[in-house]
Amino acid sequence: GENVEQHPSTLSVQEGDSAVIKCTYSDSASNYFPWYKQELGKRPQLIIDIRSNVGEKKDQRIAVTLNKTAKHFSLHITETQPEDSAVYFCAASITGGGNKLTFGTGTQLKVEL
Amino acid sequence: GAGVSQSPRYKVAKRGQDVALRCDPISGHVSLFWYQQALGQGPEFLTYFQNEAQLDKSGLPSDRFFAERPEGSVSTLKIQRTQQEDSAVYLCAAGGTGGTEAFFGQGTRLTVV
Repeated sequence: GENVEQHPSTLSVQEGDSAVIKCTYSDSASNYFPWYKQELGKRPQLIIDIRSNVGEKKDQRIAVTLNKTAKHFSLHITETQPEDSAVYFCAASITGGGNKLTFGTGTQLKVEL
Repeated sequence: GAGVSQSPRYKVAKRGQDVALRCDPISGHVSLFWYQQALGQGPEFLTYFQNEAQLDKSGLPSDRFFAERPEGSVSTLKIQRTQQEDSAVYLCAAGGTGGTEAFFGQGTRLTVV
């Protein structure tokens, strides 16, 4: 089955700096890669996703890049703000039928003033 | 509907007790997933329904775990003879097939003592 690895497990940045979180996946058939933000005690919420026919996607301060050959994808947050502090999870799935998500182990991002 | 609703939010069970966790998904979503999230980890897939049909239960950790969705809307995850290792947050998600967003509920935090 699919295996997703995520690094780093914790990340501390100064407000206004950029943050990068990296994930690798094992199943070359995976073709959908969402990123979820989870604040303490709350539900995971989708912040951005990318499909395998696209190499990069951007939404305001958030961008995701995908390298299918290397089987890795990354989340980039620019101009970080304190409200960006949360746990971020990457995930991978195969679309079609019941495409269950395989999640990474999460990155605790802390944006310091 | 306004979103995915799960109940109870918190459940404390004595070891050996049976528990039932409820998920009321967004109206019209045919797909429903259950995930288990241990402390400090990413969600892990348990089972998937398309309408009332349970199409994938490969993630259920043992035969003590049972899920149903008899009318294709509300789903119940039942855990029999709970054990300490069952302590986790159980998340329900609606949608999420075909590379679309999975909407998560707030989860039920189960603590087995």
